[in-house]
Amino acid sequence: GNSVTQMEGPVTLSEEAFLTINCTYTATGYPSLFWYVQYPGEGLQLLLKATKADDKGSNKGFEATYRKETTSFHLEKGSVQVSDSAVYFCALSLSGGSNYKLTFGKGTLLTVNP
Amino acid sequence: DTEVTQTPKHLVMGMTNKKSLKCEQHMGHRAMYWYKQKAKKPPELMFVYSYEKLSINESVPSRFSPECPNSSLLNLHLHALQPEDSALYLCASSQDSSDWVDTQYFGPGTRLTVL
Repeated sequence: GNSVTQMEGPVTLSEEAFLTINCTYTATGYPSLFWYVQYPGEGLQLLLKATKADDKGSNKGFEATYRKETTSFHLEKGSVQVSDSAVYFCALSLSGGSNYKLTFGKGTLLTVNP
Repeated sequence: DTEVTQTPKHLVMGMTNKKSLKCEQHMGHRAMYWYKQKAKKPPELMFVYSYEKLSINESVPSRFSPECPNSSLLNLHLHALQPEDSALYLCASSQDSSDWVDTQYFGPGTRLTVL
């Protein structure tokens, strides 16, 4: 079956620190990969996505590269801000008949201190 | 514009009440979704509508009844809920194509408390 494994949180960083949240996946086929962010008390927002191997998704200073050889999609940001404090979900989806189903990781809580 | 709206933002109901959650999108998307999210967990898929027809029901209890009146609106009717149904209910939408992987866009959610 399909699955997504994220690094266990919580992750606590100081402002301007470098962020990496690891995400690896298993899938039957060639998935598209997503990072969603959920700020406290809110819904999920699409942060970035990549649809094929070696694609790099980027948004708001965050980046993630689709690595087929290591089945990974790690999220990175060079300098985090207090406003980046949120829960981050890695997810995958497959095309065709299964394309309604998003498989989520468990989520990683990020806290950024001033 | 990638906005999905949901009302109400918060809802408190008793176990004998009947209430409805509403979701709306104006992106021309033809697939709409209901998810349930418990605290500190990822969202769990409940229902999918494709072109206004129920496509997926993830074995959800009948006390949850979805409805898709048109391509922009999605409702979730609630009746005789249990306290364990308290959660954040998220609506999402996507273009709905079998040719590529859809991107789902989520609303802000309705925080439901069942007393």
